[in-house]
Amino acid sequence: QSALTQPRSVSGSPGQSVTISCTGTSSDVGGFNYVSWYQHHPDKAPQLIIWDVNERPSGVPDRFSASKSGNTASLTISGLQAEDEADYYCCSYTGTYTLVFGGGTKLTVL
Amino acid sequence: EVQLLESGGGLVQPGGSLRLSCAASGFTFSSYAMNWVRQAPGKGLEWVSVLSASGASTFYADSVKGRFTISRDNSKHTVSLQMNSLRAEDTAVYYCAKALPRGYYSGLDVWGQGTTVTVSS
Repeated sequence: QSALTQPRSVSGSPGQSVTISCTGTSSDVGGFNYVSWYQHHPDKAPQLIIWDVNERPSGVPDRFSASKSGNTASLTISGLQAEDEADYYCCSYTGTYTLVFGGGTKLTVL
Repeated sequence: EVQLLESGGGLVQPGGSLRLSCAASGFTFSSYAMNWVRQAPGKGLEWVSVLSASGASTFYADSVKGRFTISRDNSKHTVSLQMNSLRAEDTAVYYCAKALPRGYYSGLDVWGQGTTVTVSS
């Protein structure tokens, strides 16, 4: 199972919005509404920020939103804040009882 | 407080074995599937394995199938990862992660801080 494709890096200024894409295939992202997103600050535990394509866990700000179209999922962070600077990973169910992560995207807040 | 605490990492020679453990607290451990996810140095997250709440079902990434075994003890609130025939490419920080109530395919909502495994001669 190949990793999902994410841009290696994105950047934005405080207050702006950024979107991170996550491209898979019809066997993973496109085949199931089981895409999740994780925020990972260095030397900390990853944090779930989106589940089932567009659902936010309690406590995650509504600045974080997500969607899916075909084989590509997207995470949008609006009203960028300095603390949003982190690595972001998408993850999808594959239909063969396994999960596959994206390669990760480093978000820089300028 | 919901918490996962991994242990057991260390330095091991290629071909050797290591057993990781993850102690859970703050939630009804026996009700949730548990996962292991790893991150090699400078690389992204890689899902490794999942074990159902009952322990009856296990699934593995192709990269570890046949070498790693996941297990749990619901009475002790622990999940373990037995790693055999270790290779240099298994070097990583290993995270224990709890599945959402809907299932592991929906997302992993609690993660430990990780334990480091280094495979080197």
